[in-house]
Amino acid sequence: EAQVTQNPRYLITVTGKKLTVTCSQNMNHEYMSWYRQDPGLGLRQIYYSMNVEVTDKGDVPEGYKVSRKEKRNFPLILESPSPNQTSLYFCASSLGPSSYEQYFGPGTRLTVT
Amino acid sequence: GDSVTQMEGPVTLSEEAFLTINCTYTATGYPSLFWYVQYPGEGLQLLLKATKADDKGSNKGFEATYRKETTSFHLEKGSVQVSDSAVYFCALTWEYGNKLVFGAGTILRVKS
Repeated sequence: EAQVTQNPRYLITVTGKKLTVTCSQNMNHEYMSWYRQDPGLGLRQIYYSMNVEVTDKGDVPEGYKVSRKEKRNFPLILESPSPNQTSLYFCASSLGPSSYEQYFGPGTRLTVT
Repeated sequence: GDSVTQMEGPVTLSEEAFLTINCTYTATGYPSLFWYVQYPGEGLQLLLKATKADDKGSNKGFEATYRKETTSFHLEKGSVQVSDSAVYFCALTWEYGNKLVFGAGTILRVKS
């Protein structure tokens, strides 16, 4: 089954404790992105990657890091989480740029206390 | 900057009612327009799209027409079902763009 998987689905952590949210897709997609979803704001892009070893900032990259060492994986790293990073996070992948259909993962609900 | 504005929700309808969710955009040029749907506990999935003026996207009984003159892409369905209850996002992007610009989302609740 074609899918984007994220782990964990739910995470409660404390300020400053490094964490990684994993994202993996099995569709051989070139493009991958991370978005955060906040009430009243819709989804905003954090980072995107056009291919292995090629990543770039989206609209809200502060406090996040990413890496793309393999085509299928695109982890999101929070080196020192803060409460304003409490949000619902989605990974997405696609064959090409954002005009192509985006396939979203199920989301990761992160709470930073 | 480029932006998408959606009607505020939640929208609550009875089964078989007519649905309209308004979406307008501000953008330079002529972006592609999308409706994505998010069912409870799931990620977003593409519902329909339109890539140029006067195009009509349609899927699962939903329709939306790209209106350049009013910069709008309103979502419509003639007869909603309980299973249509979800959050609907209007979004735009460009042919070689690297991100989708989303509206805030509209919650739809359909009662039986």
